[in-house]
Amino acid sequence: DARVTQTPRDKVTEMGQEVTMRCQPILGHNTVFWYRQTMMQGLELLAYFRNRAPLDDSGMPKDRFSAEMPDATLATLKIQPSEPRDSAVYFCASGLGSDTEAFFGQGTRLTVV
Amino acid sequence: RKEVEQDPGPFNVPEGATVAFNCTYSNSASQSFFWYRQDCRKEPKLLMSVYSSGNEDGRFTAQLNRASQYISLLIRDSKLSDSATYLCATGGYNKLIFGAGTRLAVHP
Repeated sequence: DARVTQTPRDKVTEMGQEVTMRCQPILGHNTVFWYRQTMMQGLELLAYFRNRAPLDDSGMPKDRFSAEMPDATLATLKIQPSEPRDSAVYFCASGLGSDTEAFFGQGTRLTVV
Repeated sequence: RKEVEQDPGPFNVPEGATVAFNCTYSNSASQSFFWYRQDCRKEPKLLMSVYSSGNEDGRFTAQLNRASQYISLLIRDSKLSDSATYLCATGGYNKLIFGAGTRLAVHP
């Protein structure tokens, strides 16, 4: 049963610390999305990769967030330094392009205290 | 103004009721449309794609109105298990954008 895998599932960290979230997309999918979900803002698109190349990261705060795809089986989202307002659930999703459905991982629930 | 907007609800309906959600989008260049379902503390899961001609899957019917830039989801004969948040999404040009979701609560 193919699925998107995210680690860690939960993360509690102190303000100022670096946080790295990882995502393994479904094998064969060439697009990866990173989303952040909060009660106030809903599901926000942070970044998007196609064939490992970043195509759109306009939704991501550039000063502290970075997203990379070192290989086809791993996408990372890093926050440095983390702030309490970064507390949210971060979802990774993969698919075959923005014109087709995306399949979501179970998310990383981040709490910054 | 957000690219994709939904009424947050909640919609509280009795079992067996018919309920409809609308979702408006601002980007006229959007090329694909979807409805997702999200249960509490879970990830969104695809419910159905929305085609120009409309489509039906059991008790669920989705429609697209390009002229007015909205998509709709109709649920007939609501079940308790339909209680969830329903997210619409539009895709195209390197983006897959979601609405904030509409919460549905089906009660006995």
